[in-house]
Amino acid sequence: SQQGEEDPQALSIQEGENATMNCSYKTSINNLQWYRQNSGRGLVHLILIRSNEREKHSGRLRVTLDTSKKSSSLLITASRAADTASYFCATGGRLDSSYKLIFGSGTRLLVRP
Amino acid sequence: NAGVMQNPRHLVRRRGQEARLRCSPMKGHSHVYWYRQLPEEGLKFMVYLQKENIIDESGMPKERFSAEFPKEGPSILRIQQVVRGDSAAYFCASSPPYEGVDEQYFGPGTRLTVT
Repeated sequence: SQQGEEDPQALSIQEGENATMNCSYKTSINNLQWYRQNSGRGLVHLILIRSNEREKHSGRLRVTLDTSKKSSSLLITASRAADTASYFCATGGRLDSSYKLIFGSGTRLLVRP
Repeated sequence: NAGVMQNPRHLVRRRGQEARLRCSPMKGHSHVYWYRQLPEEGLKFMVYLQKENIIDESGMPKERFSAEFPKEGPSILRIQQVVRGDSAAYFCASSPPYEGVDEQYFGPGTRLTVT
């Protein structure tokens, strides 16, 4: 089963609005990361938040982490048409000597001009 | 500093043929990861390698799939006797060899189509 599950699966908003995506996970984590994937392309790393952090900002991105609820959220403020993409959360960090990332199934964001 | 490179970008194979996917990590990176992505799904971990060593292959199918990362040259993901279900995008990622760096840098992927 998936370690991370994003919610919603799809989101359509108007340019200028904020977009919020949520991610839930099941087991203990070292860190949680958010990636963006444009259609048919590779993944771009957006932001990493460690298990001892609660909130992190990067430009128009704001990520929160609640380890008690095993959930994270990604907020994109003042969205632009160029933000249209799929967004994935991934749990990772060094666990059992492995650095593998475990991805959720993603949120497909459409920003309408 | 070039990013992670993968080739070919697109690969078409007939059922029963072999597919060889290549990945060159970023300069200075000695950790390589392979992931598979089916349409409309997230990435699934396959294997984690360091130079000449397989560290974690818990996501690799038991048969037909193998991976290597030789001392010299790119990492290779090899799929023997491909079947239609192997059609997917295969992504390689790399990371540097020191502690405390958990971010992985992804290549553009190889899209495998099995006809």
